Amino acid sequence: ELKVEQNPLFLSMQEGKNYTIYCNYSTTSDRLYWYRQDPGKSLESLFVLLSNGAVKQEGRLMASLDTKARLSTLHITAAVHDLSATYFCAGTFMNYGGSQGNLIFGKGTKLSVKP
Amino acid sequence: NAGVTQTPKFRILKIGQSMTLQCTQDMNHNYMYWYRQDPGMGLKLIYYSVGAGITDKGEVPNGYNVSRSTTEDFPLRLELAAPSQTSVYFCASSYDPSAGAYNEQFFGPGTRLTVL
Repeated sequence: ELKVEQNPLFLSMQEGKNYTIYCNYSTTSDRLYWYRQDPGKSLESLFVLLSNGAVKQEGRLMASLDTKARLSTLHITAAVHDLSATYFCAGTFMNYGGSQGNLIFGKGTKLSVKP
Repeated sequence: NAGVTQTPKFRILKIGQSMTLQCTQDMNHNYMYWYRQDPGMGLKLIYYSVGAGITDKGEVPNGYNVSRSTTEDFPLRLELAAPSQTSVYFCASSYDPSAGAYNEQFFGPGTRLTVL
């Protein structure tokens, strides 16, 4: 059974601190995505990761992919309140509709950044 | 360029009623998707379409139907609504996933549906 597991599911951080969200998946992925969702809003694409060792950075967020370990991470540097949101990892996987772009989502990590 | 639009934003249904959730995209995307998001969970794929006239089931298709008569529109039909269909529904679209390495899905604003 395909699993996409994020941890932690809830994360309360202080402003200025660093932390990492982990996304493990149980089979070979084609692409790995990170999305942000604000309360009551839609999903905003943050990163698309394709290959082993891929690293992408945007502002205080950096995503990486280790296909051998079947692990992606989202690292938050010097958190600010504006980063408070729910972060989802999602992937496309062969044999699970990956060639049609079907996304399999983790449960999400609800991040709260406090002053 | 409006992107992906969905109507209605909110809806309350009684058990056994039917309704259609509308989704339209103006990006000329061939691929369109319907997901549902239950509280505290990630999104799950209900149905998808790879082009006009072509649809297929996703992970959780029971209780739903779709059609795709045009490139732009991909309505989702609920027949005989049940409390288990209370959820937030998102429509998404993309180019052909095999056509671009960094292909991504663009999501609509969502429809919040409650079945009582």
